[in-house]
Amino acid sequence: DAKTTQPPSMDCAEGRAANLPCNHSTISGNEYVYWYRQIHSQGPQYIIHGLKNNETNEMASLIITEDRKSSTLILPHATLRDTAVYYCIVRVASGATNKLIFGTGTLLAVQP
Amino acid sequence: SAVISQKPSRDICQRGTSLTIQCQVDSQVTMMFWYRQQPGQSLTLIATANQGSEATYESGFVIDKFPISRPNLTFSTLTVSNMSPEDSSIYLCSVRLAGGPGEQYFGPGTRLTVT
Repeated sequence: DAKTTQPPSMDCAEGRAANLPCNHSTISGNEYVYWYRQIHSQGPQYIIHGLKNNETNEMASLIITEDRKSSTLILPHATLRDTAVYYCIVRVASGATNKLIFGTGTLLAVQP
Repeated sequence: SAVISQKPSRDICQRGTSLTIQCQVDSQVTMMFWYRQQPGQSLTLIATANQGSEATYESGFVIDKFPISRPNLTFSTLTVSNMSPEDSSIYLCSVRLAGGPGEQYFGPGTRLTVT
């Protein structure tokens, strides 16, 4: 799997948008970008994924650059409950080698 | 989505003993995985639990230390054998559903402390 680079930590004010960046400059053409988060003392939670188009769901938006070498996860109105470690992961969608390998992630602290 | 339960949720064990962790899923899944999360660290994949065959282990993990069973499509166990304090971690079961975009779901974890 391609490696990703994320800032170790970020702060965000409650109610504001949180923009979490991720670099994946060695991503392959068949690899998707997945985002997960882990709230303290819980198992990781799936947020969103995409291949090359921007994606939006009820939790977040995913913006992928045209060259696919980086992406940004956007939480439009961060709340205190969004405080968590956010992981950006790239992998193929199916097949025997599509293991989900976690990096160190970004600790997002939402401040009141 | 999938609902995953793990037993036990936590345990305190003595050095040299073994603990078996159970993972139950509410639907049939194609792929099941076991992860370890050491204190203050990210998740590390231990192995892929294959139904009807031996598990596939990641580098640094061996079957003698972490034997895995997967008797059917909804259940798996991970045993942590001959435990030492370095095995103190959270152990998480994870599943991937057949079809779809490949989202992966995680259980609540088993918090193991070895004394």
